[in-house]
Amino acid sequence: DGGITQSPKYLFRKEGQNVTLSCEQNLNHDAMYWYRQDPGQGLRLIYYSQIVNDFQKGDIAEGYSVSREKKESFPLTVTSAQKNPTAFYLCASSHSGSYNEQFFGPGTRLTVL
Amino acid sequence: AQRVTQPEKLLSVFKGAPVELKCNYSYSGSPELFWYVQYSRQRLQLLLRHISRESIKGFTADLNKGETSFHLKKPFAQEEDSAMYYCALWNEKLTFGTGTRLTIIP
Repeated sequence: DGGITQSPKYLFRKEGQNVTLSCEQNLNHDAMYWYRQDPGQGLRLIYYSQIVNDFQKGDIAEGYSVSREKKESFPLTVTSAQKNPTAFYLCASSHSGSYNEQFFGPGTRLTVL
Repeated sequence: AQRVTQPEKLLSVFKGAPVELKCNYSYSGSPELFWYVQYSRQRLQLLLRHISRESIKGFTADLNKGETSFHLKKPFAQEEDSAMYYCALWNEKLTFGTGTRLTIIP
C-alpha cells in the first residue's frame, strides 16, 4: 500500500452542497482515475486523466467535475447536480499508454444527508 | 460497447474445494482481461492479467475467445481467498464487472 492517498475517509454533506474529494499520488504516474463503487454495480468510471491539464469523461461523468493542474493531484468535485451522490469513491493511478496496472487508493465514503 | 458480466454476486465454497468465478465479456476487438481482488480492509489490487498467463496465489484464468469467457479458477480453496473479485476489460480504460464476493467456509 501507500503511494496513493485519499481524503477524507468519510464525508458527509447536505443536499445542494458541492464537495471535493482529494486524491494524491507520489508514484510518478501520468494517468489518474476516479471510480464510483456501489453495491451490486461494481466500479464505474467517472473521469480519467492521462496527462496534466487534460482529462476525459468516463461512463458516469454527469454531476461531477475534475481538474488536473498537477501530476500528483486529481481532485473530484461532486456537485449538487449529481442526483445520487451517496457512494464509495475510489481513486487510482497508473503509468500512461497501453494498459498498465492501476493502483488504488483507500477510498472515500460520501454520504448525503 | 464493451461489457463485462459476472453472473454470481455471492459464491461460497468449502475450504479445499475447487473454486471457479465466472466472467464473460462482450468486445469486438482482441480483449485484454484482468482480475482484481479486494480483501477485507485492504485496497483493490491486481490479481492477474491474461496476457501474462501466470498463476498468482494458486489462481489461474484462461481466456476463451470462443465462449468470450475469462473464468478465474483455483483447484483448492483456502480461507484467505475470501474476498471480493472483479473481472475487468481494458480498451483505453478499464471496464469492471459487478463483482463476486467469495466466501471460503472452514
